[in-house]
Amino acid sequence: DQQVKQNSPSLSVQEGRISILNCDYTNSMFDYFLWYKKYPAEGPTFLISISSIKDKNEDGRFTVFLNKSAKHLSLHIVPSQPGDSAVYFCAASGGYSGGYQKVTFGTGTKLQVIP
Amino acid sequence: SAVISQKPSRDICQRGTSLTIQCQVDSQVTMMFWYRQQPGQSLTLIATANQGSEATYESGFVIDKFPISRPNLTFSTLTVSNMSPEDSSIYLCSVVWMGRYEQYFGPGTRLTVT
Repeated sequence: DQQVKQNSPSLSVQEGRISILNCDYTNSMFDYFLWYKKYPAEGPTFLISISSIKDKNEDGRFTVFLNKSAKHLSLHIVPSQPGDSAVYFCAASGGYSGGYQKVTFGTGTKLQVIP
Repeated sequence: SAVISQKPSRDICQRGTSLTIQCQVDSQVTMMFWYRQQPGQSLTLIATANQGSEATYESGFVIDKFPISRPNLTFSTLTVSNMSPEDSSIYLCSVVWMGRYEQYFGPGTRLTVT
């Protein structure tokens, strides 16, 4: 049961254009969402997050949008740079469980930014 | 944030043997987790490493196969026991501070079982 889905395994974008990575979830109990970026041979690094009480969060070139009614979130990268080429994981949390926030990860989208 | 290191970074092991992976953090953290990422798949939580007590395992993972230790607030080990080729994966530790959602990951250990 994949509760967090990233239906596009890969995406190619020209440098300078917008990259849009999508994520869908099925569990209505999720109330906090995160994006991670992963380069080869490295662990995932936290990128940006959004609480369910918001519909948008922005940090520099990165913006995350949340549509709760559609159970959908997206990550926008503008402008895209070659260094953004990585695998992006969407993740969702349903609050505390046993004293910690259990996080469910999507399967990832590999972004390639073409110079 | 924190600096997280893992040893070894990669290993090739024979079927039936065991490998212990170490995770060291440069500061005290609230929670430590162990994940597995099989080829082309998502990150799957194996267990939460509890300081001074038995780890909390997720469904499908058992202590006999994946014994975990966490003797203090900055160090944990994961052992992959009696390995089979199906255990070939990237194993990652992560840390989080109480009240925070974002986890910080180590660089991972790439395990190949032949």
